Amino acid sequence: QVQLQESGPRQVMPSETLSLTCSLSGGSISSGSYSWSWIRLPAGKGLEWIGRMSTSGSTNYNPSLRGRVSISIDTSKNQFSLRLSSVTAADTAVYYCARDRPPGYCSRSTCHSYYYYGMDVWGQGTTVTVSS
Amino acid sequence: EIVLTQSPGTLSLSPGETATLSCRASQSLSSNYLAWYQQKPGQAPSLLLYGSGSRATGIPDRFSGSGSGTDFTLSISRLEPDDFAVYYCQYYGSSRPDTFGQGTKLEVQ
Repeated sequence: QVQLQESGPRQVMPSETLSLTCSLSGGSISSGSYSWSWIRLPAGKGLEWIGRMSTSGSTNYNPSLRGRVSISIDTSKNQFSLRLSSVTAADTAVYYCARDRPPGYCSRSTCHSYYYYGMDVWGQGTTVTVSS
Repeated sequence: EIVLTQSPGTLSLSPGETATLSCRASQSLSSNYLAWYQQKPGQAPSLLLYGSGSRATGIPDRFSGSGSGTDFTLSISRLEPDDFAVYYCQYYGSSRPDTFGQGTKLEVQ
């Protein structure tokens, strides 16, 4: 069973870069053609989509993050990462990583094209506080 | 940019009742690209429905979804104590950004 686990600093100084890693166990990140996503939940607010990266290398980011965000995949380490630069207190949140199944994703030699199949595996989340 | 507005913000019901949650889009969407999630306090979200009305693995048929255009609905029949949580709709933007609704909290009356 595929599991995801976020890791990284719990506190980041304002104006610095937040870096988180999501490690995959129970499967290979390069198996199938899933996408890999980051989502966050600020305290007292709703979920905010950060972005996703496919195993083919294409990315899509939330424009509200104004070019501060990047997602990368390291297949040799079976993990993917989030970098968010120039952080402020507004970036304080619980950060989740998730396996994403966009239209056209393939798994076990079967491809699924009709729907967006949703984010079916999530990490438990990690709280990151931006504070000096 | 597409905006999803969920209503009501909070829904108070009793076990055994039926919950109807709304997700309204700022412009017409493909129902194929709409998903619903459940989130309990201190836990990660979990996938309920995709393609507007298809249940994810292990989701009971008490959960159903429908809709088209700008109006989408999540219905939960015969509410059980474990169903009381926050529910989010999400739109997959393809080459454009995804978006989540702000959530509906389903609480025990």
